[in-house]
Amino acid sequence: GAVVSQHPSRVICKSGTSVKIECRSLDFQATTMFWYRQFPKQSLMLMATSNEGSKATYEQGVEKDKFLINHASLTLSTLTVTSAHPEDSSFYICSARAPGQGAIEQYFGPGTRLTVT
Amino acid sequence: AQTVTQSQPEMSVQEAETVTLSCTYDTSENNYYLFWYKQPPSRQMILVIRQEAYKQQNATENRFSVNFQKAAKSFSLKISDSQLGDTAMYFCAFMKHRAAGNKLTFGGGTRVLVKP
Repeated sequence: GAVVSQHPSRVICKSGTSVKIECRSLDFQATTMFWYRQFPKQSLMLMATSNEGSKATYEQGVEKDKFLINHASLTLSTLTVTSAHPEDSSFYICSARAPGQGAIEQYFGPGTRLTVT
Repeated sequence: AQTVTQSQPEMSVQEAETVTLSCTYDTSENNYYLFWYKQPPSRQMILVIRQEAYKQQNATENRFSVNFQKAAKSFSLKISDSQLGDTAMYFCAFMKHRAAGNKLTFGGGTRVLVKP
């Protein structure tokens, strides 16, 4: 149980276009999901917290108009990188908080490698 | 804000030997959680072990154990009987106790290479 998927696993897009990444909790409902960014050989940096039915909470320094997050259902959160530029190329990872009041575990997706050309 | 520091960028160990990874953190909180995650070459994050700050007993999971020193704000991971499959990046992470959103703060990571 507790599987989180991401789609696509890899995406290449041209500079100036937008790309959407999906994060799904496959066998549980996730009221809270998280989006991370990981540069090569570096750690995970939290970008935003996504709560079902409400606006995402962005970390300091993350452009909310560039990284649009939508959490429209209890099993799906999406991250849209708008007007992508080469510097947005990175590995994006989502996680979903385990169900249940007081739950603290996060289950991670396999990640999406974004390359902007 | 919390910070998590992993001072060893890379470590190597012979198969079947033991390796210890260090992690220190800075917080003014009294109740919190600490985690060790493994990220193998597949990039999938895998929870290795977790520790509740209010528990004095060190957590263990099979070959993985921690040495939690709350006063020193230290949380090291010991991998015993290292296996080739343990080769991965290991991240130490901090979470405030029951904080809204349960955000994780990660350390910079330690790359572990298990040699045959």
